[in-house]
Amino acid sequence: GQSLEQPSEVTAVEGAIVQINCTYQTSGFYGLSWYQQHDGGAPTFLSYNALDGLEETGRFSSFLSRSDSYGYLLLQELQMKDSASYFCAVRPWGNQFYFGTGTSLTVIP
Amino acid sequence: DTAVSQTPKYLVTQMGNDKSIKCEQNLGHDTMYWYKQDSKKFLKIMFSYNNKELIINETVPNRFSPKSPDKAHLNLHINSLELGDSAVYFCASSQDPERAITYEQYFGPGTRLTVT
Repeated sequence: GQSLEQPSEVTAVEGAIVQINCTYQTSGFYGLSWYQQHDGGAPTFLSYNALDGLEETGRFSSFLSRSDSYGYLLLQELQMKDSASYFCAVRPWGNQFYFGTGTSLTVIP
Repeated sequence: DTAVSQTPKYLVTQMGNDKSIKCEQNLGHDTMYWYKQDSKKFLKIMFSYNNKELIINETVPNRFSPKSPDKAHLNLHINSLELGDSAVYFCASSQDPERAITYEQYFGPGTRLTVT
């Protein structure tokens, strides 16, 4: 089966940097994605790692290490609007997608 | 223009009833999905459709049935609703993952289903 574990809650200060980890147990997959979801809203795509290493998109960066079965999302210069839930997701085969357990990020002043 | 739309946004109904949720995407995507998000915010894929053909059918009860009249629509029918079906249901679409680069999925606004 597929298992993607994330910390359930993270709190960080406005302007700081926060890292949200995603550890997985899956035999193989095509890439690791990250989604953001505000309360009452829909998940929105943030980033994708097809290969190991760091991908940067503005204030957000995502990292993947297949050898360590580990990835993370890095949010820099935190803003209050970044308070949301963050999900990692993998595509193991075909049109199947598995989402992680989700991390609720709270940004405080 | 809304990329992925769902109706209704809220659905309150009694146990045993049959209901449908409609989904439409205007992105020209080949693949559409239905997800269930429970009270703990866990997102679980239920179905995906590619070119009007069911590709994946997760182990969901057969009371749930997806119907796709065309590539832009994927509706969800639920028979004999149960209390445990209460959740938020999201429709999503993407390019064919077999040919896409990033597997980016576009989600609809969600339908909050409450079964009483």
